[in-house]
Amino acid sequence: GENVEQHPSTLSVQEGDSAVIKCTYSDSASNYFPWYKQELGKRPQLIIDIRSNVGEKKDQRIAVTLNKTAKHFSLHITETQPEDSAVYFCAANRRRALTFGSGTRLQVQP
Amino acid sequence: DGGITQSPKYLFRKEGQNVTLSCEQNLNHDAMYWYRQDPGQGLRLIYYSQIVNDFQKGDIAEGYSVSREKKESFPLTVTSAQKNPTAFYLCATTTPRGTGELFFGEGSRLTVL
Repeated sequence: GENVEQHPSTLSVQEGDSAVIKCTYSDSASNYFPWYKQELGKRPQLIIDIRSNVGEKKDQRIAVTLNKTAKHFSLHITETQPEDSAVYFCAANRRRALTFGSGTRLQVQP
Repeated sequence: DGGITQSPKYLFRKEGQNVTLSCEQNLNHDAMYWYRQDPGQGLRLIYYSQIVNDFQKGDIAEGYSVSREKKESFPLTVTSAQKNPTAFYLCATTTPRGTGELFFGEGSRLTVL
């Protein structure tokens, strides 16, 4: 089955700096890679996703890159703000369900 | 809000008791999912259903059971066979675009006393 590994588990940055979170996956058949943000006590919410037919996707301060050959994908947040503080999860599809990484707790220091 | 409703939000159970978590959606979606989240960990798939009267085991199905008698409902029963049931349980369905992304309910937090 699919295995998704995510690093780092915690990340602390200064406001205005960039943050990068990396994930690797094992199943070469996976073709959909979403990123979710979860605030404390809340449900995860999709922030950006990418499909295997593209290498990069941007949405304002957030971007995701995908390297199919190496089976890894990354989330990039630029100009971080305190409201970016949350837990971020990557995921990859396997059959008709998503397999999630273990999460990265991002703390943006004002 | 959001078309997918979980209840109860908080639940306490004594060891040895079964408990059922409710998940209802009014989005007319076929696919529904149950995930478990433990502190500091990712979401792990318990069961999923692509269509009424059919469901599949996920990665951690032992000690859980589900049913899908109606399209809008996918209840999860945590049985006494689940050795460590204290967790945050999230139900999900696909978004209206149906392109793979999940839309989650607000979750149910189960605590075993």
